[in-house]
Amino acid sequence: GAVVSQHPSRVICKSGTSVKIECRSLDFQATTMFWYRQFPKQSLMLMATSNEGSKATYEQGVEKDKFLINHASLTLSTLTVTSAHPEDSSFYICSAERGSTDTQYFGPGTRLTVL
Amino acid sequence: QKEVEQNSGPLSVPEGAIASLNCTYSDRGSQSFFWYRQYSGKSPELIMFIYSNGDKEDGRFTAQLNKASQYVSLLIRDSQPSDSATYLCAVPSGANSKLTFGKGITLSVRP
Repeated sequence: GAVVSQHPSRVICKSGTSVKIECRSLDFQATTMFWYRQFPKQSLMLMATSNEGSKATYEQGVEKDKFLINHASLTLSTLTVTSAHPEDSSFYICSAERGSTDTQYFGPGTRLTVL
Repeated sequence: QKEVEQNSGPLSVPEGAIASLNCTYSDRGSQSFFWYRQYSGKSPELIMFIYSNGDKEDGRFTAQLNKASQYVSLLIRDSQPSDSATYLCAVPSGANSKLTFGKGITLSVRP
């Protein structure tokens, strides 16, 4: 199989705090991982592409200083939402590409609620 | 701008019927195509991928690809209520293996 985990699955935080979300590929190495956000009843929105050992590539309109991405190993990428505000409340989902197949396997997602 | 369109839906079928989900794409050079299933409140799950023209079968699922007409479809035979979900078509676009997703088709299977 191709298993991707995310931690935490759910987080509630106060406005102004930072939240780190981890994405791990458990049984394969992933040079490339992706971070998505999904608001209720809406489509997946790609936030950034994370490449191991290099800087992430952010999609237009996504603030790189607010959403910090680190991909320090072939099995781990992290997304840190800095100074979170209620409008950042969303479902954050990572995916990992297995090999160079274009095939993405998704983690179970992290539901962030900012009070 | 590479586009993936899933215009039909929502789709409702009775249990046991065949559900047909369609997707068209704009980039004639696309080589691989993916179908994901997303249950409400959950993340997408890969159910099929197809690279070659024709049909690819996996259990009750059949993916059909027609590169000349630029469409890919997913057939679900013997539909079950547990198949009720949103089905996303995805096509790689550009560098870094980014996927362009369609908006999804919501399938409801009536018991």
